[in-house]
Amino acid sequence: AQKVTQAQTEISVVEKEDVTLDCVYETRDTTYYLFWYKQPPSGELVFLIRRNSFDEQNEISGRYSWNFQKSTSSFNFTITASQVVDSAVYFCALSVTFSGGYNKLIFGAGTRLAVHP
Amino acid sequence: KAGVTQTPRYLIKTRGQQVTLSCSPISGHRSVSWYQQTPGQGLQFLFEYFSETQRNKGNFPGRFSGRQFSNSRSEMNVSTLELGDSALYLCASSETGAQPQHFGDGTRLSIL
Repeated sequence: AQKVTQAQTEISVVEKEDVTLDCVYETRDTTYYLFWYKQPPSGELVFLIRRNSFDEQNEISGRYSWNFQKSTSSFNFTITASQVVDSAVYFCALSVTFSGGYNKLIFGAGTRLAVHP
Repeated sequence: KAGVTQTPRYLIKTRGQQVTLSCSPISGHRSVSWYQQTPGQGLQFLFEYFSETQRNKGNFPGRFSGRQFSNSRSEMNVSTLELGDSALYLCASSETGAQPQHFGDGTRLSIL
């Protein structure tokens, strides 16, 4: 069965602190994709990153970085020098590929991040 | 490029009624997926359409249905509304379904 676990329900930090959001996934597929989405209070899901199962290189984009480790089935997300605008719910998702190229996203429960001034 | 557009943004219905939600994908995207988000169950996959065909359906009762038109716009319908159908309904589009899915702002449905 496919599953995504985000054990941290809520995290509260003060601005400029670094924060890491954990994501652990389960799948028997050898080919899969992992995603992070951000959901601000307005409700839309904003795509942040996609990583495929064959690419374990870490990625950095500005203040955001992602650490993908297949050995521990984890895909953690770090925000460096957090800002108030980073306050949102963050979702990790696993993409299951069906024949024909269709993907279905399986989401974790989300981590609510509150960054205080 | 315009993003994924969902209408309406908010909807209030009563039990037993039916509702239709609309989703216009990003231009050129032929895959449209629907998700339901509730505080208790989180984000759950409803169904996906590609070229007017439903390719997959999540574990939801038959009261939830959808369709896709030739211009890739999609609608989902919920009949005989129940209190538990109160949720944020999110639509996502991608070129073929294998790319990152881009989401709309959602339709917040409240059942009284």
